[in-house]
Amino acid sequence: GAVVSQHPSWVICKSGTSVKIECRSLDFQATTMFWYRQFPKQSLMLMATSNEGSKATYEQGVEKDKFLINHASLTLSTLTVTSAHPEDSSFYICSARGLADWGASYEQYFGPGTRLTVT
Amino acid sequence: QKEVEQDPGPLSVPEGAIVSLNCTYSNSAFQYFMWYRQYSRKGPELLMYTYSSGNKEDGRFTAQVDKSSKYISLFIRDSQPSDSATYLCAMKAGGTSYGKLTFGQGTILTVHP
Repeated sequence: GAVVSQHPSWVICKSGTSVKIECRSLDFQATTMFWYRQFPKQSLMLMATSNEGSKATYEQGVEKDKFLINHASLTLSTLTVTSAHPEDSSFYICSARGLADWGASYEQYFGPGTRLTVT
Repeated sequence: QKEVEQDPGPLSVPEGAIVSLNCTYSNSAFQYFMWYRQYSRKGPELLMYTYSSGNKEDGRFTAQVDKSSKYISLFIRDSQPSDSATYLCAMKAGGTSYGKLTFGQGTILTVHP
């Protein structure tokens, strides 16, 4: 099956610093990647959608200068939280969709998430 | 009104029970319906994927879609403690399979031995 990995799984950083989260599709080419944010006991909130080689499309209310997304290859997307503040502490989950080796698949697969704590 | 409504529970059932999870939606453009399972501090895992109306069965799981009522269900037979998780319904518009997912808020399920 399709596997999506994220790194790191957990990160603590100081207020004002930047943090980069990587998302990789391990066994398929992800033409589209999504970044979500999830608060405790709440559903996933879509932050942005990125297509390989294109600029990300951000959802309303998400600051694109604060949450930098790069989708430079068909297997890697990164989310950089710039000048992080305690209110940015959350669970960040990426998701990938694309064509699998076993045939066309438009299903969306999720990474295990990254827990960010800003002190 | 949210596009997708899902009762957050929590739902607690004894082992072996049949579990019924439901979502309603308002957007008639939704054509693709999914159920995800999410364990605590983990990413969602795709359980079932259905296109348009009808039933789909996979092992102990059955997904039903009733587009006329804008209502989808997930049934879990012979529930196990390992089924304890948050279950999220998700859906996206038809016409293209490239649309973004809209999630319900998730139902917390606990299956106790």
